[in-house]
Amino acid sequence: AQTVTQSQPEMSVQEAETVTLSCTYDTSESDYYLFWYKQPPSRQMILVIRQEAYKQQNATENRFSVNFQKAAKSFSLKISDSQLGDAAMYFCACNNYGQNFVFGPGTRLSVLP
Amino acid sequence: DTGVSQDPRHKITKRGQNVTFRCDPISEHNRLYWYRQTLGQGPEFLTYFQNEAQLEKSRLLSDRFSAERPKGSFSTLEIQRTEQGDSAMYLCASSFHQETQYFGPGTRLLVL
Repeated sequence: AQTVTQSQPEMSVQEAETVTLSCTYDTSESDYYLFWYKQPPSRQMILVIRQEAYKQQNATENRFSVNFQKAAKSFSLKISDSQLGDAAMYFCACNNYGQNFVFGPGTRLSVLP
Repeated sequence: DTGVSQDPRHKITKRGQNVTFRCDPISEHNRLYWYRQTLGQGPEFLTYFQNEAQLEKSRLLSDRFSAERPKGSFSTLEIQRTEQGDSAMYLCASSFHQETQYFGPGTRLLVL
């Protein structure tokens, strides 16, 4: 069975600064996807970034990038130049090909002006 | 098509009543998923469909829960004889095969 762990229940960052959210996972599969989703208060879940496990290059989407360490089963999210609109719950998720998603418990990110 | 839609957005019901939720996926997506999310937690998988076939069900899905996806289009999730512990956000997501899942806005259920 897959498990996803996010060890930081809450994080805060100053506007324009950089913050890193941690995620570790466990899966017996060799092929899988990893995702970061963002859920603003009372709003729907949206995809931030995804990484295919077979790709060694870390995914990047504008101010969002990941540090994927396959051997360590680690998948952290770095947010650069943090903005007030980045404040949300962030969920790390793992998806084996053809199976459902397993989500972590989430990290609540606050952005301080 | 602008995304996954869910109806209703909010539902308040009395314990023991039956409720039904609807999800309309992104039109070209063949997979549809249902999750339950309680406050401050990540979504928990309930069940998923590939086209009209229900391929997997979580142990969380008691026999009071049933889901259908007739003709492989929209899906319904029914909860019979609701209990206070069923109060949660019910999320629907769709994807094309094992690609990225896109989520709907959810249906928030409150059982009194």
